[in-house]
Amino acid sequence: DVKVTQSSRYLVKRTGEKVFLECVQDMDHENMFWYRQDPGLGLRLIYFSYDVKMKEKGDIPEGYSVSREKKERFSLILESASTNQTSMYLCASSGAASYNEQFFGPGTRLTVL
Amino acid sequence: ILNVEQSPQSLHVQEGDSTNFTCSFPSSNFYALHWYRWETAKSPEALFVMTLNGDEKKKGRISATLNTKEGYSYLYIKGSQPEDSATYLCAFPGGSARQLTFGSGTQLTVLP
Repeated sequence: DVKVTQSSRYLVKRTGEKVFLECVQDMDHENMFWYRQDPGLGLRLIYFSYDVKMKEKGDIPEGYSVSREKKERFSLILESASTNQTSMYLCASSGAASYNEQFFGPGTRLTVL
Repeated sequence: ILNVEQSPQSLHVQEGDSTNFTCSFPSSNFYALHWYRWETAKSPEALFVMTLNGDEKKKGRISATLNTKEGYSYLYIKGSQPEDSATYLCAFPGGSARQLTFGSGTQLTVLP
């Protein structure tokens, strides 16, 4: 059974804090993705990675960075959290081809106070 | 940024009704078209990945068609049930084709 796990379901942080969101997949997938979901805006891609140590910016990378040191793990980092980063964050993974479906984690609801 | 549009934005139907919604995407440089279902408090799950013009896929009461030349896909649900209530997302590979651009979704509510 395929699995994508995220380190926290709910997280509350203060403005200016450094925040780490971790994602682990057990399917040996090449691609991993970080999205945020906001009401009325759908799923927006923050960053993705197609290989270890490789990353590409998505549509809204500002204020975020990522790390992929191992194939199964993809971390999203908020260097200095701001209130406008309060959102639902979803991690996903997939095989390399464009026709490979993405498998999503359960999401992390982040609130920045 | 690619333009992937879905309509309608939301839909309320009665149990037993059949319904359909639309996904529009760029008709050039087509790779694939994905449909996902996202139920409340769960993660999005893939329904279909379609790659060929004229493709038609079916899973139970849900089916989808694809027209790559004109850039649209339809999702049909026959005899809607309350458990079909969810947001239905379509997604289109863009850029390097490694990533997906998602539409904003159609939120379906099936009333008992």
